[in-house]
Amino acid sequence: QQQVKQSPQSLIVQKGGIPIINCAYENTAFDYFPWYQQFPGKGPALLIAIRPDVSEKKEGRFTISFNKSAKQFSLHIMDSQPGDSATYFCAAIIGGSNYKLTFGKGTLLTVNP
Amino acid sequence: DTAVSQTPKYLVTQMGNDKSIKCEQNLGHDTMYWYKQDSKKFLKIMFSYNNKELIINETVPNRFSPKSPDKAHLNLHINSLELGDSAVYFCASSGEGGTEAFFGQGTRLTVV
Repeated sequence: QQQVKQSPQSLIVQKGGIPIINCAYENTAFDYFPWYQQFPGKGPALLIAIRPDVSEKKEGRFTISFNKSAKQFSLHIMDSQPGDSATYFCAAIIGGSNYKLTFGKGTLLTVNP
Repeated sequence: DTAVSQTPKYLVTQMGNDKSIKCEQNLGHDTMYWYKQDSKKFLKIMFSYNNKELIINETVPNRFSPKSPDKAHLNLHINSLELGDSAVYFCASSGEGGTEAFFGQGTRLTVV
């Protein structure tokens, strides 16, 4: 049973475009939703995160939109750059009582120059 | 200073061998993890330790045995390696609540 579903599997945009990656979750006990960025040969690194009491969070060019009723959240990358080319993972966790991050399957983003 | 470091970075070994991967974190975190990333990049938790105690064991074959000598170290020992064990193994750590995990650079294990 996949508790966090992520789409698309891959995404190609031109420099300056706004890629959008979508995730949906099933377990309403999840209360923290981080996004991780992974470059080839490196470990995932925390990019931005949101709690379900907030509908949007912005950090630099990265924005998370959160729809609690639909159990969906998405990552938008404004003014995307070739250096943003990486694999992006959404995740969910029940903070404090359960230390298990449940990851989506990842989206390979390619930003062409 | 590297926050979460694991060694070795690459490991090539034959089927049936036993191997270990070491992990150390200098973040002062109480919780450490092992994740497995398969060829399709899917990340799945294997184990979690909190203050040296096992708190998550995700139906991993008992050929995999984690050991935490102290809360800054979590090692992974694998017995009787199989072809299907080939993957990238990531160590991670997190602070209170486990909401923000810091990952090591990964160990690419290839079983031939």
